[in-house]
This record gives sequence, structure tokens and C-alpha cells, in this order.
Amino acid sequence: GESVGLHLPTLSVQEGDNSIINCAYSNSASDYFIWYKQESGKGPQFIIDIRSNMDKRQGQRVTVLLNKTVKHLSLQIAATQPGDSAVYFCAENRGYQKVTFGIGTKLQVIP
Amino acid sequence: EAGVAQSPRYKIIEKRQSVAFWCNPISGHATLYWYQQILGQGPKLLIQFQNNGVVDDSQLPKDRFSAERLKGVDSTLKIQPAKLEDSAVYLCASSLGPGTAAYEQYFGPGTRLTVT
Repeated sequence: GESVGLHLPTLSVQEGDNSIINCAYSNSASDYFIWYKQESGKGPQFIIDIRSNMDKRQGQRVTVLLNKTVKHLSLQIAATQPGDSAVYFCAENRGYQKVTFGIGTKLQVIP
Repeated sequence: EAGVAQSPRYKIIEKRQSVAFWCNPISGHATLYWYQQILGQGPKLLIQFQNNGVVDDSQLPKDRFSAERLKGVDSTLKIQPAKLEDSAVYLCASSLGPGTAAYEQYFGPGTRLTVT
């Protein structure tokens, strides 16, 4: 079936280093892909999205890369900070605001 | 701007009991969503409202779950009777309405339900 999933369940990164969180998807019909950050006890928070006709988009300290050939999505966080510690979800959006979430990767930042 | 409000934040019940969750969306948001998030997984959409009408409830277990948004503002989600596998965080989210992007969907803090 159609799904959005993540390669790694937990990622530990030294403070100041760059983080790369990966995601595989199987549905080529998505309009765009989204990354969310979820801190403990809170709801998901939008980070950045990318339309399916793009291959790269940059935000503040974050970059999302989309490789449609291999159906792979990644989130790069530059100069990772302790406040970046959270669970990160990739998700897909196909019409009428319907968002389908993947499993999630826990990012642990080591001071 | 106030965010999406949910109550209660935590609830513990025994199986076969009933429970209800309440959500107050951001003022002016026409679209309201309920998600179920089981520990270690991503949120799963249960039901989506546009004003007081249901847009999508394809993943709502209708034999035990019900939701309403009678006046197009607040919403309640009910489980009756609860099962052990219903233990999860129930998230409410809202957005302005049709045509808005996913990043304009704002989530509340959720209600953590434990069924014993």
C-alpha cells in the first residue's frame, strides 16, 4: 500500500554538527511533502515543506531535499542545537489538506 | 493569537468505560481535525470537519468512536466503550479552510488517554 516511512528511529548528534534525517515514500502522487517537529507533550509543529516539482528548499537552518527518482526525502539541520531535540516526522499531502504522517525519527542532541 | 485548546490533557479509564475529549480551534478556523497518535507512531487522521459537516471520517472506528461539531466551532470526540488499544494521544488541529496549505494546520497539545 501507499506509505511514508523513515529509515532510522533514533539519531544522536553532537551539538553544533549537522543532522540529516531521512524518509522514504512510496506514493508518487503526493502534491508536496512536509517535515514536522514534535516535542514531548506537544502537537506536531510545521518546519518546512517542498512541492513535488522541486528538489530542494531552504529555510532557516533547515534544508529539505527531494529525490523523486528513488522516492527519498531528507531534512538537514545545520549547527544542531539542544532545542532541536524532538521527534521529526515526514508527511505527505494529497489534496484537500489531508496529511499522512510517517513513523518518526527521534533526534537526540548531545551537548 | 491563542492556539488550539484541548481538554483534558490526561485521562485514565478502564476498558469498556466511556470518555470524551474536547477541542476549541483557533478563532475563525473552519476546518477541524482529530488525529490519533499511538506511542512511537505518527498521527493518524480520524475525522475532518469543514464547519459542522464531515469531510472525511474513513478511518474513524464508527462502532465505538463518534465526533461532533454542532455549531461549527468546538468539537468533541467520544469513545464508547473504550478498548486497551485506544490508549494513545488524541490530537486536535485546525486550519482556515479549503485552499490552505498543510503548514497552516495548527495542532493542539493533545489528550493522553490510558485505558487499563
